[in-house]
Amino acid sequence: DIQMTQSPSSLSASVGDRVTMTCRASQSISTDLNWYQQKPGEAPKLLIYDSSTLQSGVPSRFSGSGSGTEFTLTVSSLQPEDFATYYCQQSFTTPDTFGRGTRLEIK
Amino acid sequence: QVQLQQSGPGLVKPSQTLSLTCAISGDNVSSTSAAWNWIRQSPSRGLEWLGRTYSRSKWYTDYAVSVKSRIIISPDTSKNQFSLQLTSVTPEDTAVYYCARDPSNYYDSSGFFDYWGLGTLVTVSA
Repeated sequence: DIQMTQSPSSLSASVGDRVTMTCRASQSISTDLNWYQQKPGEAPKLLIYDSSTLQSGVPSRFSGSGSGTEFTLTVSSLQPEDFATYYCQQSFTTPDTFGRGTRLEIK
Repeated sequence: QVQLQQSGPGLVKPSQTLSLTCAISGDNVSSTSAAWNWIRQSPSRGLEWLGRTYSRSKWYTDYAVSVKSRIIISPDTSKNQFSLQLTSVTPEDTAVYYCARDPSNYYDSSGFFDYWGLGTLVTVSA
């Protein structure tokens, strides 16, 4: 199975900050990388698919980039509702696999 | 708007079978442009894809190797739903179980999950 490694595991930031988090794949996955946001007690919510395509309804302050083995998720100006855990998921090969998450906390 | 409504018991005894159902509204389990998945989440294993079912010229299923000998995912077209059965459960199967849609096309999975159920916490304990 392809292993997905996210860093950092946690991140403290303030409202208005620009933050970037990283996801690395254990082998090349082209651009078959998706990002989810999860808040406590809720299901994951799709933010970005195919590395950089914003899901409908997701604010444009979220952006994704990368290909091959290294990917980033950037939030350009943090809003209070953005404090959550973010997961990456590869869909290059079955089984789909997820990273362990980056927890974004309020500083 | 697609909605996935999960149902099933929250407590299962060791060695018994875990059974969950996901009722679909706003889409159809027989759609040839979707795949219907089960994913679970636990502190020890994180998010883990378990398997999927989808209809093309016939019904197909794919399963994760980790559970392949114990899992059945099946559609119920009369009720527009799909179900998960996981046999011979142990405490390691304790997790929140989600159903989710992959909006795939006829020939290929899209690979991402755009609609999720609310999740069902299933505890395996005597």
